[in-house]
Amino acid sequence: DAKTTQPNSMESNEEEPVHLPCNHSTISGTDYIHWYRQLPSQGPEYVIHGLTSNVNNRMASLAIAEDRKSSTLILHRATLRDAAVYYCILRPHSNTGNQFYFGTGTSLTVIP
Amino acid sequence: GAGVSQSPRYKVTKRGQDVTLRCDPISSHATLYWYQQALGQGPEFLTYFNYEAQPDKSGLPSDRFSAERPEGSISTLTIQRTEQRDSAMYRCASSLEFGGIYEQYFGPGTRLTVT
Repeated sequence: DAKTTQPNSMESNEEEPVHLPCNHSTISGTDYIHWYRQLPSQGPEYVIHGLTSNVNNRMASLAIAEDRKSSTLILHRATLRDAAVYYCILRPHSNTGNQFYFGTGTSLTVIP
Repeated sequence: GAGVSQSPRYKVTKRGQDVTLRCDPISSHATLYWYQQALGQGPEFLTYFNYEAQPDKSGLPSDRFSAERPEGSISTLTIQRTEQRDSAMYRCASSLEFGGIYEQYFGPGTRLTVT
């Protein structure tokens, strides 16, 4: 099973960058790395995804290791609204079964 | 529609009753997913549809759980003979197509409580 490992919790000061790590040592060549976040009492929200190259969008940046066995979600300036549970998941390009593993994610606390 | 909608938002039922939850995906989206989320846990995959086809049912916990998407748009998740352990948030998501390149959009969920 292509699963991911994340720290249970992290803290960051407001307006500082945050680096959220994810290990996925069993990733296969066709697995995309997705990040979602879940704010309190809401459904998961898409943040960013990538395959091999680093990616940037208006919400965050995704840095993918050269061997693809780990990745890091980067929030450039944390705000209080970024306090959420962040999930790193692997999504294959085709149906290989048991692929949508969210785990427990990383609970990010942003300190004012 | 503008986003994924689910109904009802809350459902309380007695043990042994059947319940049906509804999901209305984004209208252009071919793929629809169902997840179960317990308190403090991440969503757990139940099943998904590509249009009306259901290629993967591997996450359904038992044969009491079934899902349909007969016309490739709205989907229902039915739990027969509900048990207290079925109490959870049930989330629906949709994506343009199946495949890792496409992001999922989640609905607000249905909170099911079995008493």
